[in-house]
Amino acid sequence: GDSVTQMEGPVTLSEEAFLTINCTYTATGYPSLFWYVQYPGEGLQLLLKATKADDKGSNKGFEATYRKETTSFHLEKGSVQVSDSAVYFCALSDPGTASKLTFGTGTRLQVTL
Amino acid sequence: KAGVTQTPRYLIKTRGQQVTLSCSPISGHRSVSWYQQTPGQGLQFLFEYFSETQRNKGNFPGRFSGRQFSNSRSEMNVSTLELGDSALYLCASSSEGGTKNIQYFGAGTRLSVL
Repeated sequence: GDSVTQMEGPVTLSEEAFLTINCTYTATGYPSLFWYVQYPGEGLQLLLKATKADDKGSNKGFEATYRKETTSFHLEKGSVQVSDSAVYFCALSDPGTASKLTFGTGTRLQVTL
Repeated sequence: KAGVTQTPRYLIKTRGQQVTLSCSPISGHRSVSWYQQTPGQGLQFLFEYFSETQRNKGNFPGRFSGRQFSNSRSEMNVSTLELGDSALYLCASSSEGGTKNIQYFGAGTRLSVL
């Protein structure tokens, strides 16, 4: 079945550092890929998405590129802020069951001054 | 536009009891999905309802059930609660549930089973 593998956390960075959170996936079809963010005590917010190979999703300085050849969707940000501290989830949805999101385990990001 | 609303935010129950959680989707959204979030298993898909019909189902026992009303509001029921059912239950809504449709999540209901 479909699965998503994320790098283990927590990731601790100083403000203005470069961020990469690795995500790879296994899927039988051509999934859509997502990054969601969860702040303490809140639900999930969609950060960005990509629906086909080579698409680049971007939002709030975060970017991720759908790489079919490496089955990856790594999240990057050039300069993190303290306010980016949260848990980040990589997820996919298969076209056959589009409303069913399969999530990675989440990566906690802590940004310090 | 109001977001996805889940009630109650917190619940404490004892083993063997049953519980009903409620989700009001964003106005105009017809698809509602439910997820369970636990530290050990992470985020797992429970089921999805679209136009009052269950369209997708995850791998959970029959103690977990749901329904959707004509106004798209959804309820999730867990019967014969077990300690392992303690979790954050998240509801998400989308307009059509298709690949290009974004799922918007509520803040969740945190269920503690004692």
